[in-house]
Parts: sequence; structure tokens; C-alpha cells
Amino acid sequence: GENVEQHPSTLSVQEGDSAVIKCTYSDSASNYFPWYKQELGKGPQLIIDIRSNVGEKKDQRIAVTLNKTAKHFSLHITETQPEDSAVYFCGGGGANNLFFGTGTRLTVIP
Amino acid sequence: DVKVTQSSRYLVKRTGEKVFLECVQDMDHENMFWYRQDPGLGLRLIYFSYDVKMKEKGDIPEGYSVSREKKERFSLILESASTNQTSMYLCASGTRDTGEQYFGPGTRLTVT
Repeated sequence: GENVEQHPSTLSVQEGDSAVIKCTYSDSASNYFPWYKQELGKGPQLIIDIRSNVGEKKDQRIAVTLNKTAKHFSLHITETQPEDSAVYFCGGGGANNLFFGTGTRLTVIP
Repeated sequence: DVKVTQSSRYLVKRTGEKVFLECVQDMDHENMFWYRQDPGLGLRLIYFSYDVKMKEKGDIPEGYSVSREKKERFSLILESASTNQTSMYLCASGTRDTGEQYFGPGTRLTVT
């Protein structure tokens, strides 16, 4: 089955700086890669996703890049704000089954 | 907006009790999922269902069962709760062909 690894497990950045979280996957058949944000006491919220036929996708301050050859994908958050502080999860898989990374706790220092 | 609701936010049960966790979605999604979330282990799939009365085992089905009698409702059952089932339980729903999954707020279950 698929194996998704995520790094780093914790990340601290100064407000206004960029944050990058990286994930790798093992199954070349995986074609869908979502990113979730989980705030304290809440369920994960889908913030951006990318499919295997696309190399990059952007939504305001958030972007995701995918390198199919190397089997890795990354989340980029620019101009970070304190409200970006949360745990971020990557996922990889297909229509009926997703596998998740173990999460990155992002802290944005005001 | 997709809405996935779970019956309880916090639950405390005793060892050996039968526990029911309920999940309801309002988007007519075919797929529904139950995960447990533990520190350092991320999200692990317990069971998923791709249609009414259909179910598939996930990575950690032992000690759990599920029921899906209606499309919008997916129940997770702990037949005899044990302390190692203390965890955060997350329900998700999604469409069959896109892979997107939308999560509920979670139920934090403590078994004493």
C-alpha cells in the first residue's frame, strides 16, 4: 500500500516569513494529494489539493507543488500570519483511499 | 459548504462497554470513512463505506465494526471498549470519483 512521509514534524517561523512542508509518497499510482489544516479542538480542514496531471497550484498565500518523478510534494505558505499556526497534514492516494502523513505543527511567532 | 457532524465531541466510557459513534453528512456523498488520530501516528483508517450497506476494512479494523443503513449516516461501533481505544475519532465523507474527503469535528473518546 501507499506510504506517505512528512517533514518536518515541527516548524517555527517569524510572522511574515515563508513556511515549507514536504511530503513523499511511495505508490506511483497515487494521483490525488490534499493538504489539511487542523486547529486545536477541530477536525482537519481541506485547504488545497493537487492532482497528478498538474505540477503546481496556488490559492492566495498557499501553494502546492508536485514532482511525480521524485514522488514528493510540498506545501508553501507565504507571508505567514499568527492564524496560520496549526497542524498541517498531507495526504496521498486515489478516489477511495487516502494515506496521511503524521503532521507538521506550524507555529508563527508574532 | 460540506457539513459533516459527529454525535459527540467528548465521550467517557468504561472498559467493556459498547460504544456507538455516529456521523452524518449532508452532501449526498457516496464515500464515508472512520479514522482514529493518535499523537505521532497521524490518521489511520479504521473502516470505509462506498455505498449503503457496503463496507471495507481499513488499516486497523480490529475491535471495531461499522454500520451504514442510510447514505448520510455512518456509525462506528466499539463492541467492548478497551483502554487502548482511547483516541480522537474522525469521520469523513467524500465523492466516489474525486478523492476529496471532508472531515467532521472529531470525537475524543476516553476509555477508563
